[in-house]
Amino acid sequence: KAGVTQTPRYLIKTRGQQVTLSCSPISGHRSVSWYQQTPGQGLQFLFEYFSETQRNKGNFPGRFSGRQFSNSRSEMNVSTLELGDSALYLCASSWATLSYEQYFGPGTRLTVT
Amino acid sequence: SQQGEEDPQALSIQEGENATMNCSYKTSINNLQWYRQNSGRGLVHLILIRSNEREKHSGRLRVTLDTSKKSSSLLITASRAADTASYFCATDVTGTASKLTFGTGTRLQVTL
Repeated sequence: KAGVTQTPRYLIKTRGQQVTLSCSPISGHRSVSWYQQTPGQGLQFLFEYFSETQRNKGNFPGRFSGRQFSNSRSEMNVSTLELGDSALYLCASSWATLSYEQYFGPGTRLTVT
Repeated sequence: SQQGEEDPQALSIQEGENATMNCSYKTSINNLQWYRQNSGRGLVHLILIRSNEREKHSGRLRVTLDTSKKSSSLLITASRAADTASYFCATDVTGTASKLTFGTGTRLQVTL
C-alpha cells in the first residue's frame, strides 16, 4: 500500500501571499488530519476531515482553511502568509477516527520570507 | 496548548542500554499513542494504548499507562543507533473526538 503523500515537499513564499498544500491519504482511509510543527510551539492540531466534513478544528486563525474531496484527498490553504507561518505541515490519515493509529506523510516545509 | 508534557526533554544513552521516557497529561483520555520522528520528517506510529489498558508490548517497546496519575511511559530495550529520534506521546482526549494532542517530545540520542 502506498503511504501518505504530501505535495509539495518544500515551499518558499513571501509574506502576504497564499499557499495551498495537498495531501493524499492511504487508500481506504477516510480521515485526514493536519498538523503544524514549529520549534517553539511543537506539534499543533489544525483540523480533521472525515468524508468531506470538517469534524474538528484547532486554535488557528481563519487564514488557515482546508477541505476534503470525495476521494479523501485533502488540501489546506493559508492566506495572507505571515513569517510565523513558517513550519513543517504534516498530514495524517487513518481508517476512521483518531482512536486508530495515524499514518503521517513526510510533511511540507513552508518557509515564509 | 500542550496536553502532554514529556520527560526528559533529551536523553543520551549508549547502544544496548534501555531508554525510558515519560509523558504526563492533564485531562481524561480515550487512548494514548506514541510516535517517533526522525529529524524533520513525518511521524511514525509506534503503539496505541487504550484507557482501559495498563501495559502493552511491541517488539522492544513497552508502554505503560496509569490513568490515576495521568501518565504513561515508553521503554525501549536494548537500544540501537537507529532508535535515535524524537519521541512524542499523543492523546485522544475524551469529549474532543477527532483531535490528537501531542506532547512536547523527548529527543533520544543513542551512541555507539
